[in-house]
Amino acid sequence: DIQLTQSPSFLSASVGDRVTITCRASQGISSDLAWYQQKPGKAPKLLIFGASTLQSGVPSRFSGSGSGTEFTLTISSLQPEDFATYYCQQVNTYPMTFGPGTKVDIK
Amino acid sequence: QVQLVESGGGVVQPGRSLRLSCVASGFTLSSYEMHWVRQAPGKGLEWVAIISYDGSNGKYADAVRGRFTISRDNSKNTLYLQMNSLRGEDTAVYYCARDLGYEGLDQWGQGTLVTVSS
Repeated sequence: DIQLTQSPSFLSASVGDRVTITCRASQGISSDLAWYQQKPGKAPKLLIFGASTLQSGVPSRFSGSGSGTEFTLTISSLQPEDFATYYCQQVNTYPMTFGPGTKVDIK
Repeated sequence: QVQLVESGGGVVQPGRSLRLSCVASGFTLSSYEMHWVRQAPGKGLEWVAIISYDGSNGKYADAVRGRFTISRDNSKNTLYLQMNSLRGEDTAVYYCARDLGYEGLDQWGQGTLVTVSS
């Protein structure tokens, strides 16, 4: 199975900060990576697919990059509604796997 | 608008069975492969199973293979997850989600909580 790791696991930041989350895959997955945002008690929301394509309706302050084994999610200017947990997911090979998550909290 | 609504969760004893349902609206279910994803309390997301468009094929996570069965009835716009021989570690919120292939899971239900406890 392809394992995904995320760093950091927890991040404390302020409104307006630039935030970067890294996801690493245990083997190459091309650009077959998605990012999700999840708020407490809610279902995950797809933000980015294909490593860098923004899902319709997602604000442009979110961006993704990477290919192969290393990927990043960047929030260019953190907004109050962005405080949440973020997960990466590889869609290259079954079983699908998710990263362990990165919780973004208010400093 | 597109909507997925899960039901069927509850408290069940270890070793017993439960069937979850997910009713789709606002889109043609038969045009999409569908997934179940679960999340144990306070934990991360775990993929459970996927089913092909017509229900002829399913793939499963190792943790549930042989105990869970994913199925669908496109005429009823409904996805199912039959869960047998339930264990404590199956306690989780179960989400159904729509597949876009390499583009991820773009629509999710609100989830239904399954608690396995004696």
